[in-house]
Amino acid sequence: NAGVTQTPKFQVLKTGQSMTLQCAQDMNHNSMYWYRQDPGMGLRLIYYSASEGTTDKGEVPNGYNVSRLNKREFSLRLESAAPSQTSVYFCASSEYRGTDTQYFGPGTRLTVL
Amino acid sequence: SQQGEEDPQALSIQEGENATMNCSYKTSINNLQWYRQNSGRGLVHLILIRSNEREKHSGRLRVTLDTSKKSSSLLITASRAADTASYFCATDGGGSYIPTFGRGTSLIVHP
Repeated sequence: NAGVTQTPKFQVLKTGQSMTLQCAQDMNHNSMYWYRQDPGMGLRLIYYSASEGTTDKGEVPNGYNVSRLNKREFSLRLESAAPSQTSVYFCASSEYRGTDTQYFGPGTRLTVL
Repeated sequence: SQQGEEDPQALSIQEGENATMNCSYKTSINNLQWYRQNSGRGLVHLILIRSNEREKHSGRLRVTLDTSKKSSSLLITASRAADTASYFCATDGGGSYIPTFGRGTSLIVHP
């Protein structure tokens, strides 16, 4: 099992450009999450999907959209990137929402110039 | 907003010593989890302790939970250089079932 995979690993964007971060899990988990990690801030939840077909906002959703494409895949889209979105983005999954162990992907390091 | 806060922010010890880091949180929880993050990597789950448990062990890890003080501690015994990483606590609570993470403790173990 690959666990949670994320693409790309690194990305540099110019302000105003758009891009989609891809995440997939092969553990048949119901819930998936997108976090961003900034120095000194820990992880902050952007969006999550408790189950296939549902998505909900987290702590810092502004400037992002998500799609739960199917049970395996959960993508994060930046429509018009801003320098404040420079961060490391982590996707995670868990069997069910909340009280279960989360499994994290390796992260995407995004720089917006 | 972050529910859990780790203390200290940074910890530097010699190999073989014990490392203790703490997590304090604000509202009642269902469970508390500890994760490790090696530099440049994703987080890895270490241990989960439920609100009705007081202590849990996993190998060289010992986690305690004091719900009256709203705090938890993670003890790593006989530390190794490979334990060098950042350690995060994650708590659910405040009406949410989604874990929220603290800012982490950066542990350096010198060989």
